[in-house]
Parts: sequence; structure tokens; C-alpha cells
Amino acid sequence: AQKVTQAQTEISVVEKEDVTLDCVYETRDTTYYLFWYKQPPSGELVFLIRRNSFDEQNEISGRYSWNFQKSTSSFNFTITASQVVDSAVYFCALSGKETSGSRLTFGEGTQLTVNP
Amino acid sequence: DTGVSQNPRHKITKRGQNVTFRCDPISEHNRLYWYRQTLGQGPEFLTYFQNEAQLEKSRLLSDRFSAERPKGSFSTLEIQRTEQGDSAMYLCASSPLSLAGDEQFFGPGTRLTVL
Repeated sequence: AQKVTQAQTEISVVEKEDVTLDCVYETRDTTYYLFWYKQPPSGELVFLIRRNSFDEQNEISGRYSWNFQKSTSSFNFTITASQVVDSAVYFCALSGKETSGSRLTFGEGTQLTVNP
Repeated sequence: DTGVSQNPRHKITKRGQNVTFRCDPISEHNRLYWYRQTLGQGPEFLTYFQNEAQLEKSRLLSDRFSAERPKGSFSTLEIQRTEQGDSAMYLCASSPLSLAGDEQFFGPGTRLTVL
């Protein structure tokens, strides 16, 4: 069975603070993919990043960065110098090639509020 | 607009009625997915199609639910004899045919309220 845990239900920060969203996953697949999606108040899920299980290189895209560590089964997401527009629910998701094909298993999400 | 579209955006119905939702994926995408999202939760997988073939169904998809993609383009999700527990956001996503792991592009969803 696949499982994604986002232990932080809600996080509130003040603009320009850095914030890290945690994601821990469980899978028995050797090949799997990890994703982060953003769901703003409008409701539409927006793709942010995908990593495969063989690529542990961390990635930076503007103010966003991701830290993938297989040893701890974690795929954490950091927003640097947060802005009010970053306020949204963020979901971590997993698909395992062997057992789940293309199906995404989502965590419960972290509600991020960035206050001015 | 070349993204995934869903209609209607909102549906209010009385318990026991049938409802049907439509999803139009991105035109060149072969795979189409349905998810359900309840308040405060992450989306849960319901089913997916590769072209017109329905390849996987979740056990969440009871026999009151049926999905079709007759020509491999748009898809419909029908719920028969709706129950209050069916109230949720129904999300559609599409992705190109490739190895597992392609990002799925989501539509705006259809919010169902069963009274």
C-alpha cells in the first residue's frame, strides 16, 4: 500500500519568512514518483514538481526548493521569502510504477497562510 | 483555453437523483483520471482511462458510479441514486501516454452537493 503523510495541517507565517512543508511517504515500489501540487482558493490543482526515485538531486526553482531524501522517505518543500500569493493548500503525492501505475496517492495537504 | 475543462462547476441535487459530470481533457492527452476530494482532505483516486479503455477502478467506486470515455476524448462520470455522502468535489485530470510518473493536469472540478 502507498501512503503519504503531511503532518503539518496548517502553517501561518509572516511575509518574507522562509517556510518548509514536510512530506513523508511509504511505498514498496522500487520505481516511484513524487509530486507537489498547489491548490489556491480558486480550487484548481496546479502542478509544481515531479521527482523520480532514482534522482535524489535537490532542485531549486526561483523561491521554491525541494529536498528529496530516500533514506528518510521524505520529500520536503521550502518556500524562501514567502509572499501572500503563496497562500494555498499544498499537496504532496506519490505514484508507484509497479503497484499503482499512474494513480496518484495524495497526502491530506498543508494549509499555508502568508500574512502581510 | 487549452486546459482541462469540467462541467458543470457546481451541482446541487436531492438525495436519490442521478447526476452526470463531464470532463474534456487536454486534446493530445491519452490518459484521463477521476478523483474525489472531500473538505479538508487530499484527492482520492476513483478511476482512469487510457484512450477509451477503463484500466483501473478504485474500490471507492461503488456500483452506483459509472464512468465512460466512449471515443477516447471527453469522459462522463455518472452517479446514480445519490447519497449525502457523495457530496464532494469531483476532479478530472489528464496526462499524455507515457511511463508512469507524468504530471497530471487537473481541471477546476465539479462541486456536488446532495441535499
